[in-house]
Amino acid sequence: DAKTTQPTSMDCAEGRAANLPCNHSTISGNEYVYWYRQIHSQGPQYIIHGLKNNETNEMASLIITEDRKSSTLILPHATLRDTAVYYCIVRVAFGNGNEKLTFGTGTRLTIIP
Amino acid sequence: SAVISQKPSRDICQRGTSLTIQCQVDSQVTMMFWYRQQPGQSLTLIATANQGSEATYESGFVIDKFPISRPNLTFSTLTVSNMSPEDSSIYLCSVRRKGSYNEQFFGPGTRLTVL
Repeated sequence: DAKTTQPTSMDCAEGRAANLPCNHSTISGNEYVYWYRQIHSQGPQYIIHGLKNNETNEMASLIITEDRKSSTLILPHATLRDTAVYYCIVRVAFGNGNEKLTFGTGTRLTIIP
Repeated sequence: SAVISQKPSRDICQRGTSLTIQCQVDSQVTMMFWYRQQPGQSLTLIATANQGSEATYESGFVIDKFPISRPNLTFSTLTVSNMSPEDSSIYLCSVRRKGSYNEQFFGPGTRLTVL
């Protein structure tokens, strides 16, 4: 399974952009990069995903390098409610319709007032 | 999104006993999964719950220890058998909703403490 490497923790000032890096150097061509976050005592929440191209939705932007060995999640205007553990995940889809999410260790993001 | 409930939300159990955790979804889903999150750790996939057939277990997890049922498209159970303190974890179910090709939705989790 492709593994991901993330910094253990990061701080970001409220209102600024939070940039969370992730390395996935062993990712295969058909594996997607997913980002989830987990706020204390809750189940993980989906944020965004991508394969090759950069992606943007109402929550965040995902920048994937051309060689696909790393990516960055960008929260454009961080708020206190964005304080959470952010997981960079490689998703493998199998031919039988099954799939597997391999969670990394995550980055604990703290938004500072 | 899918609304997922888990019962119980938390429990404290004695070693050697078993606990069955229920996962109920408000709509039909194609895939259901069970994860374990040990204290201070990330999530680890235990198994994929297959409707009408035996679950598919990940390496390191076996059916005798974690029997799983999935009798229909909206419900699954995970049993933690013959528990020891090392089984103290949060157990989460997740689903892939019919027609959704983007994300898994996670339940709130069941916090289990084994004494």
